[in-house]
Amino acid sequence: DAGITQSPRHKVTETGTPVTLRCHQTENHRYMYWYRQDPGHGLRLIHYSYGVKDTDKGEVSDGYSVSRSKTEDFLLTLESATSSQTSVYFCAISEPARDSSYEQYFGPGTRLTVT
Amino acid sequence: DQQVKQNSPSLSVQEGRISILNCDYTNSMFDYFLWYKKYPAEGPTFLISISSIKDKNEDGRFTVFLNKSAKHLSLHIVPSQPGDSAVYFCAAPQGGSEKLVFGKGMKLTVNP
Repeated sequence: DAGITQSPRHKVTETGTPVTLRCHQTENHRYMYWYRQDPGHGLRLIHYSYGVKDTDKGEVSDGYSVSRSKTEDFLLTLESATSSQTSVYFCAISEPARDSSYEQYFGPGTRLTVT
Repeated sequence: DQQVKQNSPSLSVQEGRISILNCDYTNSMFDYFLWYKKYPAEGPTFLISISSIKDKNEDGRFTVFLNKSAKHLSLHIVPSQPGDSAVYFCAAPQGGSEKLVFGKGMKLTVNP
């Protein structure tokens, strides 16, 4: 299994508070991603990173920011949490595609509840 | 506009029978497809993939078929086992990038 950890694994927070989720990898993979999973929506990309300090927006980036100051860490921040951000958040990593291989490896997820 | 569609949210089969999970796509530029499997309270895990230059890829009990003219792929699991009960996602890399676009997922239940 790819060495990916997410912290915290569970969090309950109140509307309007800032929240930071951490993804840590030991695989030295270049690319990192944050997804959210919601019923009826599957997995949707929030932000991604192609390297240190190189990040970009995904499909559902509003209300989220990210930072990557080290290869191994990718932080997702909800500046002011809303109830619509209640979800399960997954981090994923990958290397540049070789031989047309695009596999991403996922962390165990963080369940966030915003009350 | 959903580019990868899994139109059936769930499937229930008997142990030992075949499970067929379907996926349709709208973007004819997709050149690679992946299937992921997800158990509750765990992250998705890669299962099998197929390049658009092939029409079939097999790995043990799992076979993926690709019909480019119909923009359709399917995952066959034979024989199905109770441990296969999970949510399955199909995915494809977005045009020339590393980013994957996922379907909504299908919950497979294999009954003993």
